[in-house]
Amino acid sequence: KAGVTQTPRYLIKTRGQQVTLSCSPISGHRSVSWYQQTPGQGLQFLFEYFSETQRNKGNFPGRFSGRQFSNSRSEMNVSTLELGDSALYLCASSLAVGKDEQFFGPGTRLTVL
Amino acid sequence: TQLLEQSPQFLSIQEGENLTVYCNSSSVFSSLQWYRQEPGEGPVLLVTVVTGGEVKKLKRLTFQFGDARKDSSLHITAAQPGDTGLYLCAGDKGYGNKLVFGAGTILRVKS
Repeated sequence: KAGVTQTPRYLIKTRGQQVTLSCSPISGHRSVSWYQQTPGQGLQFLFEYFSETQRNKGNFPGRFSGRQFSNSRSEMNVSTLELGDSALYLCASSLAVGKDEQFFGPGTRLTVL
Repeated sequence: TQLLEQSPQFLSIQEGENLTVYCNSSSVFSSLQWYRQEPGEGPVLLVTVVTGGEVKKLKRLTFQFGDARKDSSLHITAAQPGDTGLYLCAGDKGYGNKLVFGAGTILRVKS
């Protein structure tokens, strides 16, 4: 079956703009988590959604937000972009919340100029 | 401050050599996972260890979870160029799918 897909794969924005990233989980998976990966901080948890509800949230400012739709697809939004937001944003899906394996997508590479 | 300290940060070895990557923490985890990530791809799960003292083998890879469930190691025997990549450990503290990742070990195996 198809893996986790993320769109777009690459994005270039300027400071102050906002951006929306999309994630389509594996068919049948209802949990979607988002992570930010940077060379300095590594992989950091942003938030997790299950059944359209945010279940967990990491330590990121309110400029980072997300949502999940009834078909389990998820979007994350970053407003008022800063240079430090440049990163690889990874989405991971799993059957449910808990002990299930998470499957990662290829990520969206965001560059903020 | 990283909750999970991974070492070494970078490893460059010749094909056929053995290596060990360490993942240490002062916190207890309900489980610990090891991932491998290649450029342009997301991390791929290699193994999950759950029980203190557990040892799991995956072909030439051996994973160990510390007795106190605070640390783990990954040992690769007779490394091959195909093992090249970023190895990440990630701890699960039992809060849903919220994983805490180590900074990663970049492994380069030269032929």
